[in-house]
Amino acid sequence: RKEVEQDPGPFNVPEGATVAFNCTYSNSASQSFFWYRQDCRKEPKLLMSVYSSGNEDGRFTAQLNRASQYISLLIRDSKLSDSATYLCVVKDSNYQLIWGAGTKLIIKP
Amino acid sequence: EAGVVQSPRYKIIEKKQPVAFWCNPISGHNTLYWYRQNLGQGPELLIRYENEEAVDDSQLPKDRFSAERLKGVDSTLKIQPAELGDSAVYLCASSPPRGDPNYGYTFGSGTRLTVV
Repeated sequence: RKEVEQDPGPFNVPEGATVAFNCTYSNSASQSFFWYRQDCRKEPKLLMSVYSSGNEDGRFTAQLNRASQYISLLIRDSKLSDSATYLCVVKDSNYQLIWGAGTKLIIKP
Repeated sequence: EAGVVQSPRYKIIEKKQPVAFWCNPISGHNTLYWYRQNLGQGPELLIRYENEEAVDDSQLPKDRFSAERLKGVDSTLKIQPAELGDSAVYLCASSPPRGDPNYGYTFGSGTRLTVV
């Protein structure tokens, strides 16, 4: 079993739709959680941290369920520019980042 | 503020040849990471430095890979000899001292290696 697992994708959705990404992690001692975005042939960039209370940044909402070891990212009113690969990342107690394989999102006009 | 700088951006070499990648982290970032990313996969950690000390190199294939960060600033990653399976994007990242546990890392633009 992988330490961080994500939906395999790709997700093909029409512009304006709501998209939900799911992620599970295996290490219950994990400390911090993030969503990164990676555009084609570019480096990963931090999209947002994920807090237990849930957090929102514009059209993006991230949630964490420590009991279920589950992380989610919701994108509302999706834009063409949201097309990218979304990577779920977990930081363990040694400050090491454990990466999911990513889910590719394709927004269609 | 300058970001993490990597060079070269692209490299094509024949198998069995050596290759080296260079990374200059963000000023003040004491932690430096080398990752390898294959197509359709997340980044895989190769080595992590705290200043000049390699604190985690458990996933570095030591028979052919080596890295150094002599002065605790910039770093080089070397492969000798390269194999076809080494074709990937090699990403460097840096992070500040352990203060904010929720701080993410900053990546360089990567070096895309193709071994033919």
